[in-house]
Amino acid sequence: DVKVTQSSRYLVKRTGEKVFLECVQDMDHENMFWYRQDPGLGLRLIYFSYDVKMKEKGDIPEGYSVSREKKERFSLILESASTNQTSMYLCASSPPSGTEAFFGQGTRLTVV
Amino acid sequence: DQQVKQNSPSLSVQEGRISILNCDYTNSMFDYFLWYKKYPAEGPTFLISISSIKDKNEDGRFTVFLNKSAKHLSLHIVPSQPGDSAVYFCAASSLTGNQFYFGTGTSLTVIP
Repeated sequence: DVKVTQSSRYLVKRTGEKVFLECVQDMDHENMFWYRQDPGLGLRLIYFSYDVKMKEKGDIPEGYSVSREKKERFSLILESASTNQTSMYLCASSPPSGTEAFFGQGTRLTVV
Repeated sequence: DQQVKQNSPSLSVQEGRISILNCDYTNSMFDYFLWYKKYPAEGPTFLISISSIKDKNEDGRFTVFLNKSAKHLSLHIVPSQPGDSAVYFCAASSLTGNQFYFGTGTSLTVIP
């Protein structure tokens, strides 16, 4: 059974903290993605990576950075958390063909 | 600019009836389309997809129709069941690209 695993289901962090969200996939996929989901706004792409150490900005990269040191792991970093980054964060992976993205269970982040 | 649009934020249907969820896209380079289902506090799960070389794909109770000239696709669920109550996201990709473009979602409620 294919799997994308996010390190936390729920997180509560304070404003100004540096936050790390981790994602691991076991499908040997080249592509990995970070999205955030907000009511009425759907899934918005933050960053994606198509290879180790490669990254591309998505639609809303401001306030975020990413790291991909190994093929199976893609980390999202909130450099200085703010309350407007309270959201559901979703990690996904896909093969290069673009025929399906597999999602993790999501991390509900609350910044107080 | 939103390249994939779901103009109905919500839909309510009686159990046993047909649910029709709609999706429009603007980019003619898209050649693969997917539907995902999402329950609260979980990641999206893949439901059904269609290639641009087809105009219909069926999987059990779920059928996706693609009208390329209108840049429109729809998901039909027949018969609708209470367990189908979820948010449905339409997505599009290019088989030569790396990204998936998601709509804003339609929240389906199936009334027993």
